[in-house]
Amino acid sequence: QVQLQESGPGLVKPSQTLSLTCTVSGGSISSGGYYWSWIRQHPGKGLEWIGYIYYSGSTYYNPSLKSRVTISVDTSKNQFSLKLSSVTAADTAVYYCASSVVVWAFDIWGQGTMVTVSS
Amino acid sequence: QSALTQPPSASGSPGQSVTISCTGTSSDVGGYNYVSWYQQHPGKAPKLMIYEVSKRPSGVPDRFSGSKSGNTASLTVSGLQAEDEADYYCSSYAGSNNNVFGTGTKVTVL
Repeated sequence: QVQLQESGPGLVKPSQTLSLTCTVSGGSISSGGYYWSWIRQHPGKGLEWIGYIYYSGSTYYNPSLKSRVTISVDTSKNQFSLKLSSVTAADTAVYYCASSVVVWAFDIWGQGTMVTVSS
Repeated sequence: QSALTQPPSASGSPGQSVTISCTGTSSDVGGYNYVSWYQQHPGKAPKLMIYEVSKRPSGVPDRFSGSKSGNTASLTVSGLQAEDEADYYCSSYAGSNNNVFGTGTKVTVL
């Protein structure tokens, strides 16, 4: 069974780049048919899909964040990563990595990591 | 892309049923059969309960069921149990490789 674990700084300064990594265990990230996503949840609020990378390397992003987001895969480390540039306090949230075999059905989630944007 | 609209809260007594609505537009819920539902307990990651409108992942009790009519999807929890008390979020494909979540509903078991 695939398991996911997020890691990265819990505090990022405004205007800097938020960088998070999701480590995949129990399976290979380069296995066919998986979609690897990032999703965030603002404190006390709902969920927001950030984007995904398909096992083939294709990436798709939420249009509202597209200009600031990059998702990439490191197959040698069995990880995928999120970079969000020019962050503001509005980017303070719990960030989850998730995977899906059926597109748009996020069936495996990491535990989430809280990122605070503050000087 | 606006969030899908869900009622803020819903409740029911143990053993009863509760239905949560998720209203979107013809560009998301009404246009595709890619509606999913997630259960989230406090401090925990969401859990997939329903996908593609009405399909249940392995391990999800058949007390959970999903449906869709027009631009509104629904999640019904039958035979409410104490452990069903949680926040529930719907999600829908919104075209052009984009996804939108609902505003969330807090379900209380009385």
